[in-house]
Amino acid sequence: DAGITQSPRYKITETGRQVTLMCHQTWSHSYMFWYRQDLGHGLRLIYYSAAADITDKGEVPDGYVVSRSKTENFPLTLESATRSQTSVYFCASGSGGYSGANVLTFGAGSRLTVL
Amino acid sequence: DQQVKQNSPSLSVQEGRISILNCDYTNSMFDYFLWYKKYPAEGPTFLISISSIKDKNEDGRFTVFLNKSAKHLSLHIVPSQPGDSAVYFCAASAGTDKLIFGTGTRLQVFP
Repeated sequence: DAGITQSPRYKITETGRQVTLMCHQTWSHSYMFWYRQDLGHGLRLIYYSAAADITDKGEVPDGYVVSRSKTENFPLTLESATRSQTSVYFCASGSGGYSGANVLTFGAGSRLTVL
Repeated sequence: DQQVKQNSPSLSVQEGRISILNCDYTNSMFDYFLWYKKYPAEGPTFLISISSIKDKNEDGRFTVFLNKSAKHLSLHIVPSQPGDSAVYFCAASAGTDKLIFGTGTRLQVFP
């Protein structure tokens, strides 16, 4: 299917476990992003990438790791999950750059609960 | 420090009436503003945008107004429909910097 796909859609894990959220897009967009959505905070940028093998930290990167070996994939790993990382995570992609003039397309989200 | 603020967490409007969602920002360097709409269990989708060189942009039932002197933008939905019930995020960017999102406003349109 064309588009941007996130998996898993729902995940429950325990404190201290490693979790990887997958993101796959079929448009060959250069730019990809990971956001988390929390009540009272809106959407906050965790990590972003301008191209394969180029990644950078966003607003709230602590406790997360990303990689981008292929243009279409941008996995997000929580190396040792904490309760504060309970959230809904959104992957997004865009073709033209970082600025708002380049509209982002979002995945459906991954709801993560850390017990 | 929240650079993009949506001070109303929720808004309830009757079908057929106007919905007005507000957004304030603090960074005078912002030059592009967007509204995204989000339904439950889905990702946000782009709704409408405006460049800082304009003060109004219209797309069907949706109009965004920008008041640069007040650092304020608003989204007007006329007429409101039940299908407009969603969370609306405003977002802004400065030059080539990344988007900064507000906290969202939940709109409920009732019959």
